Amino acid sequence: QSVLTQPPSVSEAPRQRVTISCSGSSSNIGNNAVNWYQQLPGKAPKLLIYYDDLLPSGVSDRFSGSKSGTSASLAISGLQSEDEADYYCAAWDDRLNGVVFGGGTKLTVL
Amino acid sequence: QVQLVQSGAEVKKPGASVKVSCKASGYTFTGYYMHWVRQAPGQGLEWMGRINPNSGGTNYAQKFQGRVTMTRDTSISTAYMELSRLRSDDTAVYYCARGLESSSVAGSGWFDPWGQGTLVTVSS
Repeated sequence: QSVLTQPPSVSEAPRQRVTISCSGSSSNIGNNAVNWYQQLPGKAPKLLIYYDDLLPSGVSDRFSGSKSGTSASLAISGLQSEDEADYYCAAWDDRLNGVVFGGGTKLTVL
Repeated sequence: QVQLVQSGAEVKKPGASVKVSCKASGYTFTGYYMHWVRQAPGQGLEWMGRINPNSGGTNYAQKFQGRVTMTRDTSISTAYMELSRLRSDDTAVYYCARGLESSSVAGSGWFDPWGQGTLVTVSS
């Protein structure tokens, strides 16, 4: 059981838009920045969004992040087959004094 | 470029220990936290703990307290994660990942980059 809650899977057609939610509490998302990671099959995770809504250099602007209260979202627009991957949210948890992850969401591009 | 290169795959028997290394390059090793994250087969990411390479200070996830030891050798820009009393459910890919600046007071789930991962298999 992960501290942050994500849907196990989402699917959408190419060129459409999809959102992935990440729900937490006041000790993590409510008080600390959310970061998102993309993990392609068989690869190490890669930083996708940091500090709630910032894009690292080199990441496509089709990806965007947002946060409100104790929940965050990752949006991917103009879906492409190469976006098929697992996506994870992460944040520091003040009560646990450590990093907590969501359980991960598998994105399928139909 | 900033890069983390981990040691190779390991096969261990239950009850043994494993030590995974993570060699950093392309940045000042002592300037950033190093975290360890694991991923069991078909499962999600699990944070194990972090080390401040500058001070050597550590904090570990409660689940691993007493079984994990994170150390570093600043002379060769390498971090280590040792897990003892291995069980079959410790079978996983273990990743190192660079965190925020070691001078940071606050904690963060910001990791960039990640190592390539080290598969540790625990089997009798």
